[in-house]
Amino acid sequence: NAGVTQTPKFQVLKTGQSMTLQCAQDMNHNSMYWYRQDPGMGLRLIYYSASEGTTDKGEVPNGYNVSRLNKREFSLRLESAAPSQTSVYFCASRPHTGDYGYTFGSGTRLTVV
Amino acid sequence: EDQVTQSPEALRLQEGESSSLNCSYTVSGLRGLFWYRQDPGKGPEFLFTLYSAGEEKEKERLKATLTKKESFLHITAPKPEDSATYLCAVQAGRGNNNDMRFGAGTRLTVKP
Repeated sequence: NAGVTQTPKFQVLKTGQSMTLQCAQDMNHNSMYWYRQDPGMGLRLIYYSASEGTTDKGEVPNGYNVSRLNKREFSLRLESAAPSQTSVYFCASRPHTGDYGYTFGSGTRLTVV
Repeated sequence: EDQVTQSPEALRLQEGESSSLNCSYTVSGLRGLFWYRQDPGKGPEFLFTLYSAGEEKEKERLKATLTKKESFLHITAPKPEDSATYLCAVQAGRGNNNDMRFGAGTRLTVKP
């Protein structure tokens, strides 16, 4: 099925460990996004990539890095995980910046202990 | 700063009992207001985009409306399968069009 695929679905990390969350879309979308969702706070933008080869910070970028590997793939890296990064992470894409709604992946539930 | 406030936080309805969800927003130059549905354990699913005051969009039992300060998601004769969290988001017209701000959502439960 066409859409946005995220891996892994669940992950438990110890404080200080690193990991990369993977995201791939097969809809030929130009723009890709990483959000985190915390109870009562709504979705908050971490980083985005308006097009292949570009990345920019969102609202809450501290502690994260991203790589737009090609048009399909956009990864999110936690270099040294902290308990405050416990959250559900969503990747999203849309054809290009502008008026289109996002297509979201199913999320990665990350717990940092 | 752009702000989006959704109310109520949670809403419980009986099957067939119509109601409305509210999304109040403050944004400098609205480019679009978006509604999403999110089921437990899944990513949000795009429903509608509204662009200007007075605009309405419909999908099955859902109708979204927009004024200069708020949007309503009207649910007519809801069914249990309409149970979900409904998210509202606004996009500003400035900059590079990536300033999309989400509300915290309204969790809707429809009892049979």
